[in-house]
Amino acid sequence: EIVMTQSPLSLVVAPGESASISCRSSQSLLHRNGNSYVDWYLQRPGQAPQLLVYLTSNRASGVPDRFTGSGSGTFFTLEITTVEADDIGFYYCMQGLEPPLTFGGGTRLEIK
Amino acid sequence: QVQLQESGPGLVKPSQVLSLTCTVSGNSIGRGGYYWNWIRHFPGKGLEWIGYMFNTGHTYYNPSLKGRVAFSADTSTNQFSLNLTSVTAADTALYFCARMMGSRGVADSWGHGILVTVSS
Repeated sequence: EIVMTQSPLSLVVAPGESASISCRSSQSLLHRNGNSYVDWYLQRPGQAPQLLVYLTSNRASGVPDRFTGSGSGTFFTLEITTVEADDIGFYYCMQGLEPPLTFGGGTRLEIK
Repeated sequence: QVQLQESGPGLVKPSQVLSLTCTVSGNSIGRGGYYWNWIRHFPGKGLEWIGYMFNTGHTYYNPSLKGRVAFSADTSTNQFSLNLTSVTAADTALYFCARMMGSRGVADSWGHGILVTVSS
């Protein structure tokens, strides 16, 4: 199975600052159709995960443009600009190139 | 707007069967076009994808579960279910059902989750 290695394990960011989360896959996530199948999810305390970004860089409906996904091959990043208190929680990357679908270990974002 | 809701026992004894149901509203599971998934979150740890069902008959299960898992669906009640056999304490988790746009991810709708504890 494809292993997703996420870093850092945790982040503490002041409101208004930026945050960056990385995800490295054990093999390229580029499909022959040109898509890289990486999603990003945010799981707020006590809630179900919420889709933030799909296909590496497409924001889900209703997700503010403070969240930007990028990457290619085996390295992917989620950038959050102007962090807000509501952004706290655990962030997960997930690969969808081939089953079993696999998640990164998660990054905990806290606010100073 | 689609909504998903998990239901089932919160406590299961070791070696027994864990059975959960996901009730879907706002989208027919028998219509096709979406993949219906089970995903679990281990306490203090990460997420594990259990598998998906498509068109109420086609399934793919995570090989890590070693044949212990089976999905089923009832289109008359718009529900799909998870059966996990021979459970151990390692199966204690928060179980989510989720809708995906395809077989390659994009889980755009999730249930609230149900905590299942395996203990005697």
